[in-house]
Amino acid sequence: DIHMTQSPSSLSPSVGDRITITCRASHSIGNYLNWYQQKPGKAPKLLIHSASSLQSGVPSRFSGSGSGLDFTLTISTLQPEDFATYYCQQSYTSPVTFGQGTTLEI
Amino acid sequence: EVQLLESGGDLVQPGGSLRLSCAASGFTFSSYGMTWVRQAPGKGLEWVSSGSGVGTYYADSVKGRFTLSRDNSKNTLYLQMNSLRAADTAVYYCARVRSGYTYGPGDYWGQGTLVTVSS
Repeated sequence: DIHMTQSPSSLSPSVGDRITITCRASHSIGNYLNWYQQKPGKAPKLLIHSASSLQSGVPSRFSGSGSGLDFTLTISTLQPEDFATYYCQQSYTSPVTFGQGTTLEI
Repeated sequence: EVQLLESGGDLVQPGGSLRLSCAASGFTFSSYGMTWVRQAPGKGLEWVSSGSGVGTYYADSVKGRFTLSRDNSKNTLYLQMNSLRAADTAVYYCARVRSGYTYGPGDYWGQGTLVTVSS
């Protein structure tokens, strides 16, 4: 199985900060890397697919990069509504696996 | 508008069975792969199963106990869950697999249905 490791596990940023979350795969996954945002009690929301493609309707302050083993999610200017938990996911092969999550705490 | 509505979650005893449903609308259901993802209370996301035209796939933790199926005439996805364990307690989400992919990403998600396995 491909193991996905996210870092950090949590952050306490301020509105307006630039945020970077990293995700490392235990084996190369090409660009089959997706990022989700989840707020408490809500379903996950797809932000980025194929490592760097912004999902329709997602604000442009979100961006993704990387390929192979190492990936990043960047929020250029943190907004109040961005405080949430973020997950990376590899969809390169079965079993699909998620990172453990990164929580942005107020 | 794409909508996914899960149902069927309940309290069930260990060893019991349950069938979850996911009713889809707003898109051509038969043209998309679908996936189930679960989230145990206070925990992260765990992939359960995905199904598309090329096959059906399961997490090791549910293989042999859970079965993914679909009725394209009813625009409905199912997850038959047998031999349930306490570790299966979670909110179960269905999601549409983005066009062109086999296992994910899920681009639209339902609101989730809670399965509780307890005596």
